[in-house]
Amino acid sequence: KAGVTQTPRYLIKTRGQQVTLSCSPISGHRSVSWYQQTPGQGLQFLFEYFSETQRNKGNFPGRFSGRQFSNSRSEMNVSTLELGDSALYLCASKRSGGLAGELFFGEGSRLTVL
Amino acid sequence: GESVGLHLPTLSVQEGDNSIINCAYSNSASDYFIWYKQESGKGPQFIIDIRSNMDKRQGQRVTVLLNKTVKHLSLQIAATQPGDSAVYFCAEMNGNEKLTFGTGTRLTIIP
Repeated sequence: KAGVTQTPRYLIKTRGQQVTLSCSPISGHRSVSWYQQTPGQGLQFLFEYFSETQRNKGNFPGRFSGRQFSNSRSEMNVSTLELGDSALYLCASKRSGGLAGELFFGEGSRLTVL
Repeated sequence: GESVGLHLPTLSVQEGDNSIINCAYSNSASDYFIWYKQESGKGPQFIIDIRSNMDKRQGQRVTVLLNKTVKHLSLQIAATQPGDSAVYFCAEMNGNEKLTFGTGTRLTIIP
């Protein structure tokens, strides 16, 4: 069974640009969450989607947005990039009826903003 | 506000010994506490979770202990192996699908 797939794995952008990251969850998983990981702030929750609806949102500015498609694949977008947006963006999926805290993470998309 | 912290940022353990990684939390309303392992270049991997109404849970070579009196969580790894080298995160969950992660402890195995 394939794991969570994130694309692209690495990307470099400049300030002011926007970026779209993609996540394909494990087949059958309908919940998809996004996390930002930085050395200074650690792992921080961005948002969570289930059946194309955003159920939870973290404390990030409106420049960070996401969506989920009918096949459970998800995208997140960051507009007007800032240097501080440089981070590893992790996507995780969760199985309905699985263990409460068990998320399956992808390997992440590493974004560098210059 | 809620926060999850770890006592030590690094821990070195002799191969074959037991490892104990500690975590303090402040949100008494958390429903679950979870441990994740993150190896270099990979995403976090679920290890074990414990519900807030329990005080101990065992898995394969791992045991999680929860002390609600002092708001303390620990992960014990038996017979530590080189493959256990990673950063370990505790996390808490409160009624929704959002996990709040601690800052992490880097476990290094000494051969």
